[in-house]
Amino acid sequence: NAGVTQTPKFQVLKTGQSMTLQCAQDMNHNSMYWYRQDPGMGLRLIYYSASEGTTDKGEVPNGYNVSRLNKREFSLRLESAAPSQTSVYFCASSEAGGTNYGYTFGSGTRLTVV
Amino acid sequence: LAKTTQPISMDSYEGQEVNITCSHNNIATNDYITWYQQFPSQGPRFIIQGYKTKVTNEVASLFIPADRKSSTLSLPRVSLSDTAVYYCLVGAGGYNKLIFGAGTRLAVHP
Repeated sequence: NAGVTQTPKFQVLKTGQSMTLQCAQDMNHNSMYWYRQDPGMGLRLIYYSASEGTTDKGEVPNGYNVSRLNKREFSLRLESAAPSQTSVYFCASSEAGGTNYGYTFGSGTRLTVV
Repeated sequence: LAKTTQPISMDSYEGQEVNITCSHNNIATNDYITWYQQFPSQGPRFIIQGYKTKVTNEVASLFIPADRKSSTLSLPRVSLSDTAVYYCLVGAGGYNKLIFGAGTRLAVHP
């Protein structure tokens, strides 16, 4: 009954370092998403995967790459972290795309780039 | 894209009914209206979804007029634990993603 699991929960990086945020869902959902949320702001879509084998850019994709490893897993990679990428990152999944399917969100990864 | 407009913040007191209205003038024919709730340090949580008229579940009610250009989330008898940010979302036509706005920050006072 885990839903959407994100790892790690917290991470501090130095500018220029790379890291991968992991996300896995156990609900057999087809679509998965990565959002970032800056303090006091709403969520902004980074990348999404409508189905296994496909990925597309969202509103703020620069500086990020994604991999839909299989139906369960969708990872987000920062190749060269910058202080502007300090944020809370949320992964979400839904049965399918479109607004008539509710999204299930993970608990987030709080990333600080110094 | 169907843009939404909702109040930045609202205040209420325990036991009161809270109504949060969202405007979405450019909603597409196939779009549903969905509301999410977010507590601090947590991911958003699905509350309710509707297409037209009225939808009610154990948490809230959603009222949608015939023209669908707005919607109202109604929270009956709020408690302190309802203090959160509430997001109104409308789909981007055929695109497979939801776009979040800034949301409404609801503060419930004793």
